[in-house]
Amino acid sequence: QQPVQSPQAVILREGEDAVINCSSSKALYSVHWYRQKHGEAPVFLMILLKGGEQKGHDKISASFNEKKQQSSLYLTASQLSYSGTYFCGTEYTGTASKLTFGTGTRLQVTL
Amino acid sequence: EAGVAQSPRYKIIEKRQSVAFWCNPISGHATLYWYQQILGQGPKLLIQFQNNGVVDDSQLPKDRFSAERLKGVDSTLKIQPAKLEDSAVYLCASSLGWLAGADTQYFGPGTRLTVL
Repeated sequence: QQPVQSPQAVILREGEDAVINCSSSKALYSVHWYRQKHGEAPVFLMILLKGGEQKGHDKISASFNEKKQQSSLYLTASQLSYSGTYFCGTEYTGTASKLTFGTGTRLQVTL
Repeated sequence: EAGVAQSPRYKIIEKRQSVAFWCNPISGHATLYWYQQILGQGPKLLIQFQNNGVVDDSQLPKDRFSAERLKGVDSTLKIQPAKLEDSAVYLCASSLGWLAGADTQYFGPGTRLTVL
């Protein structure tokens, strides 16, 4: 079952914040976040493990809510370079290393 | 450190023709993945190898798609015969493979296939 991401698309002005959600109907073991720019390969951002802490680097962070089987990606003080499509990849318990990717969230940051 | 290499980058063929894609993973990575990404969608796993063995090929259309990783390093994905709906970007990814839950996948640049 493919995880569902929301919103599908968002437009921000530079400096604004955004939250992208990834929801699963199955019990999650981990969530992997990637950013893909047009015509390029997905680039790894971070992994959230079940029972793990909120992670982050620079102004991008993420959390994992086990009760809701949901992960959220937080983009703070967005920069033009943040533009792209964000995908969550979910790993389910018992399927080591296999990722099922979400529907994607298209983010556009403008001046 | 060199990343995941793929070739060709672009391929245009007519339906019913055959095509092959090549992937060389990051050195030392035991797990190799082939994904199909249709425009506007997330990557969909076709096949996952651990060394030269298949871990998961449940979503591989086996009547027309085949893949191999003979020496546990590079891999080829073949489509024969191709259909119009096979038009997509074919992404190869690799990971260390033994850190379940913390096993980061690194993607290659992909091969954009157009079937006419």
